[in-house]
Parts: sequence; structure tokens; C-alpha cells
Amino acid sequence: EGQLVESGGVVVQPGGSLRLSCAASGFSFDDYAMHWVRQAPGKGLEWVSSVNWDGSSTYYADSVKSRFTISRDNSKNSLYLQMNSLRAEDTALYYCSTITGDPNYWGQGTLVTVSS
Amino acid sequence: HSVLTQPPSASGTPGQRVTISCSGSSSNIGNNYVYWYQQLPGTAPKLLIYRSDQRPSGVPDRFSGSKSGTSASLAISGLRSEDEADFYCAVWDDSLRGWVFGGGTKLTVL
Repeated sequence: EGQLVESGGVVVQPGGSLRLSCAASGFSFDDYAMHWVRQAPGKGLEWVSSVNWDGSSTYYADSVKSRFTISRDNSKNSLYLQMNSLRAEDTALYYCSTITGDPNYWGQGTLVTVSS
Repeated sequence: HSVLTQPPSASGTPGQRVTISCSGSSSNIGNNYVYWYQQLPGTAPKLLIYRSDQRPSGVPDRFSGSKSGTSASLAISGLRSEDEADFYCAVWDDSLRGWVFGGGTKLTVL
């Protein structure tokens, strides 16, 4: 059965940087576009970024554009999110997901807290 | 303020049928498939409906999705206590060149 496992979430100061990782297993990772979705404490879901199957196309929410970079390494079945110039409003649980399709996969999330 | 509008709350009694709406525009719902997710407390979202009206394997047929114009709906029939959760719609937006989620609807089973 397919699985996604995120890692890299920590407490970081405003203006700092962080790299999140998402390890995929049990399914054909390179068959899927991949996405990062976040959820601030007590709030709804917010799409952050997407990358197509081979990494040649990337998309970003306006709130993170020019600060975050999504990438993937299909040889390692891994998805990444490089987060720079972090702000308090970036504090959230970050999920990696396939979003669409059947079967559908979501990780358990990794918590990023931006605080001084 | 979300691009997709959902009612913040919905409720029903066991056995009832409940519908949750998701209102958008021609650049999103009007031109693309809608996806629905259920998020139980403390857990990751789970896909309930894809391509507007398709159920993933394992999702009970009590859950159904529909789309008309720039609006979509999720219907839950035979409501059960374990259906109590937050529900989100999502769709690709051609103008924003990104995915958008509705603000979420908290379903309470009375």
C-alpha cells in the first residue's frame, strides 16, 4: 500500500530557511504530480505548491511565490520544499499529497513553526 | 476569503441526507473537475470524490458529488455519527494557475 512520510518540520526564526522532505513508497511515484498543502492551527487547507511528474513544471500560491521552491527526485521517490524568508504566517502543518486520483495519498504532515 | 465558498457549518440527524455546497467561478469549477475531502479530527484529509462525481475505491456510496455550472455539491445520505468531520472542496483555477480549496464545512451529526 502506498505511503507518504514528511519530515523536516521544526521551530525556526522569522527570516530563516527550512527544507521539507516527503518520502514516497508503495506506488509509482513518477506517475503522479505532487503537491504541498498546509494547514495553519485551527484553520482550513491551503494549497502551497505543485510539481508535475518529471519536475519540469512548478506552480506556487501567491503567498509563497519567490520564497518557496518545490522539487522532486524520482530516483529517490522524494519530494522537497525549500522554504526561505519564513514568516509567522507560514506556521502550519505541511502535508505532501497526490491530491487527485484513485488511489490517493496524503502524508501525516510535518509541523513548521516560525517564531522568535 | 477563499476563492471557493462553502458554508462554514452543516448538521443533520442520523439517517438524514445532508448536502454541502461549493461555489466558484468560470475559471475554476466552471472549467475543471472538483475534488472533495473529508478530514476527521487530528488526521490527514481523505479523498471522498474525484473528477466531480467519482468515488475512490473504499468510499461508501452514501457519498456522492455533483457539479452544475460554477457550483458543486457533496451529498451524504444515511448520515452516521462517524461522518462528523470537516469537508473541503478543491479545484484547479485556470486564472490563478494553482489549486484552490474551499474554506471548509464542519459537519455535526446531532
